[in-house]
Amino acid sequence: EAGVVQSPRYKIIEKKQPVAFWCNPISGHNTLYWYLQNLGQGPELLIRYENEEAVDDSQLPKDRFSAERLKGVDSTLKIQPAELGDSAVYLCASSQTGAGKAFFGQGTRLTVV
Amino acid sequence: DAKTTQPPSMDCAEGRAANLPCNHSTISGNEYVYWYRQIHSQGPQYIIHGLKNNETNEMASLIITEDRKSSTLILPHATLRDTAVYYCIVRSPNSGNTPLVFGKGTRLSVIA
Repeated sequence: EAGVVQSPRYKIIEKKQPVAFWCNPISGHNTLYWYLQNLGQGPELLIRYENEEAVDDSQLPKDRFSAERLKGVDSTLKIQPAELGDSAVYLCASSQTGAGKAFFGQGTRLTVV
Repeated sequence: DAKTTQPPSMDCAEGRAANLPCNHSTISGNEYVYWYRQIHSQGPQYIIHGLKNNETNEMASLIITEDRKSSTLILPHATLRDTAVYYCIVRSPNSGNTPLVFGKGTRLSVIA
């Protein structure tokens, strides 16, 4: 069974440019998470989806970040415009509804220069 | 905020048991203890979880104290591939599909 797939694996962009990350969760998993991980820190939740509905986006900086999960499957996370402080690893995870066992992708390492 | 306290780092000799402690003194009666680990350049990986009984699977054992205020993750025969950051998380299954809240974890270094 395929795990959570994220792309790209690495991305380098100049500040003020837009960037997008893509996530394909495990088939049948209704819950999808986007986490942000800074160096030396644990992952921090950005947004959680139940099917296509964003049910927890309180930590998402909405002035520059946006996310969508069309048809309740794949999801994209976008930053526009990117700032130097956005350099981090962006992790996607999925789980069955109500489950505490989540499966994570390998993440996208973003570097903003 | 994370509800757990873990030592920032630990070393373990290869082949020996690695015992990773976690303090969760404010845990509620319906909260589970979850353990995840994150190997360098990978996403976190689920290891094990439990409520109050000790649990064992192919990866590790979880020992929860009787008062449930602390727990220990045991890797019985640590290998170099077990070098990772280990996260202890408490989570209630009764408050909807709440997200996992990660702290800084324990960085385990397995030494040859």
